[in-house]
Amino acid sequence: NAGVTQTPKFRILKIGQSMTLQCTQDMNHNYMYWYRQDPGMGLKLIYYSVGAGITDKGEVPNGYNVSRSTTEDFPLRLELAAPSQTSVYFCASSYSLPPNYGYTFGSGTRLTVV
Amino acid sequence: KQEVTQIPAALSVPEGENLVLNCSFTDSAIYNLQWFRQDPGKGLTSLLLIQSSQREQTSGRLNASLDKSSGRSTLYIAASQPGDSATYLCAVRPFNAGNMLTFGGGTRLMVKP
Repeated sequence: NAGVTQTPKFRILKIGQSMTLQCTQDMNHNYMYWYRQDPGMGLKLIYYSVGAGITDKGEVPNGYNVSRSTTEDFPLRLELAAPSQTSVYFCASSYSLPPNYGYTFGSGTRLTVV
Repeated sequence: KQEVTQIPAALSVPEGENLVLNCSFTDSAIYNLQWFRQDPGKGLTSLLLIQSSQREQTSGRLNASLDKSSGRSTLYIAASQPGDSATYLCAVRPFNAGNMLTFGGGTRLMVKP
């Protein structure tokens, strides 16, 4: 099983450029999430989705946008890249019920903004 | 607001030692607590998930405990091996946060041969 697949694995952007980080899961999970991880820090939630057509902000949503047109896909969009967005981005998915199911994470996208 | 703290931030031990990683959280209203392993440049792999009604979970050489009332969890690794070298993250799922997790900053473990 592929699980959660993220592309690309690495990317360098110039300030002001835009890009989309792709995330696909094949486990039919209804919940999906985007986290960022800064060096030496834990993960912080950017956006999440409880199902197709439904998205909501997490702890650090500024500078990002998401969409959820299908159960499988949850892309993250950076419109005007800034150096503060240099980070490693992780997509994850889970079932919503029962409440004790764990997460499955993708392998991450390492983004550098210069 | 839920906060999760992991101490120590880094740990270096010789191969064969038993070791304990600590995780503390400020709000005991949680559904569960999960321990993850992260290898350099890789994603997170779930190691153990402890439900709020449980006291501990075991998988091989790993044992995780949960004391919800005191806001603490420990991850015990028996007979450590160089292959255990990685960053270990704990995360809690609070009652009032949907399905979201709140992560600690992690403990970077190095097991020397």
